[in-house]
Amino acid sequence: DAMVIQNPRYQVTQFGKPVTLSCSQTLNHNVMYWYQQKSSQAPKLLFHYYDKDFNNEADTPDNFQSRRPNTSFCFLDIRSPGLGDAAMYLCATSALGNEQFFGPGTRLTVL
Amino acid sequence: GEDVEQSLFLSVREGDSSVINCTYTDSSSTYLYWYKQEPGAGLQLLTYIFSNMDMKQDQRLTVLLNKKDKHLSLRIADTQTGDSAIYFCAEMDGGATNKLIFGTGTLLAVQP
Repeated sequence: DAMVIQNPRYQVTQFGKPVTLSCSQTLNHNVMYWYQQKSSQAPKLLFHYYDKDFNNEADTPDNFQSRRPNTSFCFLDIRSPGLGDAAMYLCATSALGNEQFFGPGTRLTVL
Repeated sequence: GEDVEQSLFLSVREGDSSVINCTYTDSSSTYLYWYKQEPGAGLQLLTYIFSNMDMKQDQRLTVLLNKKDKHLSLRIADTQTGDSAIYFCAEMDGGATNKLIFGTGTLLAVQP
């Protein structure tokens, strides 16, 4: 039973063409996170939501935005993808203060 | 600043024990985690340890924490080829965000 679901698993976009990645969860966790993982690197936190409160990391580019319309869903919007944005994007959820559960990730390719 | 370091690569023979090491810098971390990542996949939580513990055992996995030296290790007993993956340690930020700071990852290669 999948608990953190990411769609699509693979996304190809063109340079500068907006793209949206989706994450949903069945765990009813109040915190949802988006991480970027470039090849051979550790995941890096972009931002997270605690309920409806949005928390941006200081070094996350303005090109990255997020929406959380309800508890179950969270979206990552990349307004104008560049070649340097090609990466695996990982969504995670947690009950605050507890372990994070990760989805399978979406691999983004920018042509 | 926060920095979590791991050795890049470890090679062992099937049936041997593997020990993956990690050093961290945030002494206020409450929890420390080990995640496994197989090629092209997300992160799978393997185990975690609370900062007031020295050791935790979970089947083939043993986690040792030396808080004085800020050193964390993961021992995998009777390593199998299915254990081949990248292993990340992570510390939970001691502040209000509970964000994870990941190590650089260790690629474990298990030789048959």
